[in-house]
Amino acid sequence: ETGVTQTPRHLVMGMTNKKSLKCEQHLGHNAMYWYKQSAKKPLELMFVYSLEERVENNSVPSRFSPECPNSSHLFLHLHTLQPEDSALYLCASRLGGYTGELFFGEGSRLTVL
Amino acid sequence: KNEVEQSPQNLTAQEGEFITINCSYSVGISALHWLQQHPGGGIVSLFMLSSGKKKHGRLIATINIQEKHSSLHITASHPRDSAVYICAVDTDKLIFGTGTRLQVFP
Repeated sequence: ETGVTQTPRHLVMGMTNKKSLKCEQHLGHNAMYWYKQSAKKPLELMFVYSLEERVENNSVPSRFSPECPNSSHLFLHLHTLQPEDSALYLCASRLGGYTGELFFGEGSRLTVL
Repeated sequence: KNEVEQSPQNLTAQEGEFITINCSYSVGISALHWLQQHPGGGIVSLFMLSSGKKKHGRLIATINIQEKHSSLHITASHPRDSAVYICAVDTDKLIFGTGTRLQVFP
């Protein structure tokens, strides 16, 4: 138990669906991250929210949309995804903005049919 | 070429063996992280270090800043150590290695 909770753990969706992934931490951290993990590849940063500033990887398609309503909650909204978007999506947080120990959630395994 | 390289990619060991996993990087860093990922997917932070050596139970992590190299050692390995071990470095962003898959057999 790392203190970072992700829901759902598994999600299967069609290409026309709209769904959301949720991440929650009550560790008092002020930076939260979304990562994509595909087979045989390093973790790929999608979005960072740090001290209310959003940083994004410009290669992330617009069908992925993050939302960070407060410092404890992070969402990833999914819309008209493609089969190649099937992957493990990991949320992480840490205390010091861009420094400090990393705390990861268990991940959300997404399958796009 | 990835800025963070791990070796070996795969490693098998018998229970009780001493394990070493290596991480080399090519950028200036403020810290290096060793992470453990079990088959379920969740990732746990093992160490964060910026110099020297840290020890936690049977795990030891070392870093040589001049040589841009870090090692993770596991003493008296156990089947429950079977996991993917990931090295990541802090620059102006986090850069991850592709991981080392370790299997320890009884």
